[in-house]
Amino acid sequence: QQQVKQSPQSLIVQKGGISIINCAYENTAFDYFPWYQQFPGKGPALLIAIRPDVSEKKEGRFTISFNKSAKQFSLHIMDSQPGDSATYFCAASIKRGSTLGRLYFGRGTQLTVWP
Amino acid sequence: DAGVTQSPTHLIKTRGQQVTLRCSPKSGHDTVSWYQQALGQGPQFIFQYYEEEERQRGNFPDRFSGHQFPNYSSELNVNALLLGDSALYLCASSPVYSGANVLTFGAGSRLTVL
Repeated sequence: QQQVKQSPQSLIVQKGGISIINCAYENTAFDYFPWYQQFPGKGPALLIAIRPDVSEKKEGRFTISFNKSAKQFSLHIMDSQPGDSATYFCAASIKRGSTLGRLYFGRGTQLTVWP
Repeated sequence: DAGVTQSPTHLIKTRGQQVTLRCSPKSGHDTVSWYQQALGQGPQFIFQYYEEEERQRGNFPDRFSGHQFPNYSSELNVNALLLGDSALYLCASSPVYSGANVLTFGAGSRLTVL
């Protein structure tokens, strides 16, 4: 059973446009929601993350919007660039005491930004 | 400062064989987790090691086993390989008492089972 559902599977955006990737979860015990970026031949790298006590977090061109009541969160990439072309994964985790629990990943979104 | 290093980067095995993958965590990290990433899928948690003990385990059969050494490095062993074990195996490390924002992944070991 997929704990975190991600859409769309693939996304094509023109340079300068906004890329939006959505995720949904069911387990209300999740308390940490990161987004990872993965380039071919590389491991996932943390892009940005949010905790459920805030509704939005922005870092540069990347913004996470979080809707706790709807159990949904999304990644917005403003002014998308060809270098942003990669696979993006949302994930969720339950913090166990002061340590990080396992991450549950979505299936990924392959983003292509056309110049 | 070297990040998480994994070896080998690629390997090919046949069904029924056994494989050992290795991981050296980032300097200062003492917790190691292993994930399996099938082609076109998100990573799936296998298990996590801290203080040389398995602390958490995902939904993987006993054919998957691991070990952590006193220097925090780790091995993932898979016995009786199946075709479905073909995947990218990712190692991730972090300090145990940390914010999750320091979880660091290696580039992975690509296993092909024929």
